[in-house]
Amino acid sequence: DAKTTQPNSMESNEEEPVHLPCNHSTISGTDYIHWYRQLPSQGPEYVIHGLTSNVNNRMASLAIAEDRKSSTLILHRATLRDAAVYYCILRGFKTIFGAGTRLFVKA
Amino acid sequence: DAGVTQSPTHLIKTRGQQVTLRCSPISGHKSVSWYQQVLGQGPQFIFQYYEKEERGRGNFPDRFSARQFPNYSSELNVNALLLGDSALYLCASSLRTDGPTNTEAFFGQGTRLTVV
Repeated sequence: DAKTTQPNSMESNEEEPVHLPCNHSTISGTDYIHWYRQLPSQGPEYVIHGLTSNVNNRMASLAIAEDRKSSTLILHRATLRDAAVYYCILRGFKTIFGAGTRLFVKA
Repeated sequence: DAGVTQSPTHLIKTRGQQVTLRCSPISGHKSVSWYQQVLGQGPQFIFQYYEKEERGRGNFPDRFSARQFPNYSSELNVNALLLGDSALYLCASSLRTDGPTNTEAFFGQGTRLTVV
């Protein structure tokens, strides 16, 4: 099963951009890259996903490397409500979560 | 519109007992997946069902079983509970099967199971 690697934690200042990296060197050609985030005592929440091209939505942007072995979730202006654990996931025939990155946002 | 609903929200069981957890997907969603999340870790995939058939299984013992009903709701059963089964059990629904997919999964709030 393809796995993802993320930093354990990151810190950002409020109103500044945040770049959350993810490595997935064993990704297969059919795996979609999904990002979810989880607030305390809640289920994971969908953020964004993509296959090959960079993607933008109202929550974030997703930058995918040309070889697809890494990706970066970009939060353009972090707010206190963005403090959560962010999971980079490969959605293939199994959905495998890693440990995620805990994002701390300072006021 | 109602999201994914799970019941009960909290549950306390004794070692050796059996437990059934329930999940109602978003209306129109035909795929349901189950995950176990131990405190401090990411969710671990248990089962995926699509159109009432099992389409994927994670590395869990046979004490774990599940099924999907004609209305696409699902139950997760765990027999002979162990202390290590204490966790948050999450259900997720999506429009289609959990194969290489362009569709997002929507998660419920989970059932917190404590085994004593």
